[in-house]
Formats: sequence, C-alpha cells, structure tokens
Amino acid sequence: GAVVSQHPSRVICKSGTSVKIECRSLDFQATTMFWYRQFPKQSLMLMATSNEGSKATYEQGVEKDKFLINHASLTLSTLTVTSAHPEDSSFYICSARKGPQRDEQYFGPGTRLTVT
Amino acid sequence: GENVEQHPSTLSVQEGDSAVIKCTYSDSASNYFPWYKQELGKRPQLIIDIRSNVGEKKDQRIAVTLNKTAKHFSLHITETQPEDSAVYFCAASQSGGYNKLIFGAGTRLAVHP
Repeated sequence: GAVVSQHPSRVICKSGTSVKIECRSLDFQATTMFWYRQFPKQSLMLMATSNEGSKATYEQGVEKDKFLINHASLTLSTLTVTSAHPEDSSFYICSARKGPQRDEQYFGPGTRLTVT
Repeated sequence: GENVEQHPSTLSVQEGDSAVIKCTYSDSASNYFPWYKQELGKRPQLIIDIRSNVGEKKDQRIAVTLNKTAKHFSLHITETQPEDSAVYFCAASQSGGYNKLIFGAGTRLAVHP
C-alpha cells in the first residue's frame, strides 16, 4: 500500500498566529515529500520539495520564512505557516514518493486552513 | 521550466459515452505522465500513468496515450458512469531524482445518468 495521512484535516486560526500541519507516510518510507496549495476550483500549485535530512527546496515566489518545512524522518514532514494572514487560507496537500527511483506520488487528504 | 496545458476545462457527457481529456507539455525531457482524479474536498487519486518508453497504456475502462513527438498525452474513459464525475488532472515530470510534478489546470467531468 501507499497511505499518506495529514493532520489536522481542518484548522481555524487567528491572524498573526502560526499553524503546523503534519504529513505522514503510514506504510512506507518517503525520502521525498511535496507540499502543494490548492485554491477553490484550481489546480495544485507546488510550494516546496521536502527531502529527509536536508533543507526543503522552495518554488519561486514561495516565502521560505513564512512556510517552514521540516522533514525530520522518513515518515514525517511538517509545514508551519507562520504569522498567518487571511490570504493564507487555502487547502494544503502533501504528497510522498517511496524513493528516488519511484515516480508515483501519493497524496494526503489535505488540510483546510482558514485564517480569521 | 515545464508547462502543462489541459483541455477542456469542463466536459459533460451522457452515461455510457466516452470522455477524452488532452494535455500538452513543453519540456521534451519530461518522461513520466500521471493522471489524477480528485473528488470534491478529497485527495487526488492516481488513476493511471505512462512513461515515455510506452505509447499507450490501458486499465479496464481507462487508457492513456502518449505522443512524444507532438508532446501531448490524452486520457480516455470509456463507458462512463456517474461515479466518474470528478476533476481530472494531468501532470508531467522527469523520472527519478527528486523531480517534481507539474500539473495541468484540471478538467471537470460531469457524467449525466
């Protein structure tokens, strides 16, 4: 199997606070995880690539100091949205690959973030 | 970098008809092309993928074709059913390493009973 979980599924926070989202591969080790953002009725926009034991690679236009990514183990990556603002409200989805020789990406169920 | 265009943006068919969704890509180095199905509020699910050493792949009612020369690939769904209604995304990447998927804009498929 290839099951990816995310926690929390929904979160509401106030402007200026930080929120941490966890992405876990439950039945495989993921050397690489990806974080996406999806606005309503739009496609998935890659935010960053997270590699176990090294710094994340951010896509152009994504603030690395605002979206902190940590991939401390082969089964866990976290995304922390710091000093959240209403425009950060979105659906955040992670995905995981089983290894550098495996192309398939398996997605988590997503986290709906609402910043008030 | 890679750019993936997807058409149509919406597609409406009658149950039992076929549906075809087309994508084009820009980077000739891309060699892995997956298709994902996403139902409202849920995660994208990989439904089929193809690599550039293959021209066609089929899995029951779903098939994908790839034309490397023209740099386009298509998803074909036959005998559509209402449960096929969802948003479908194509994507492209370079196989191996940490290469990322670049997604198309998506196609909203509606299958009417």
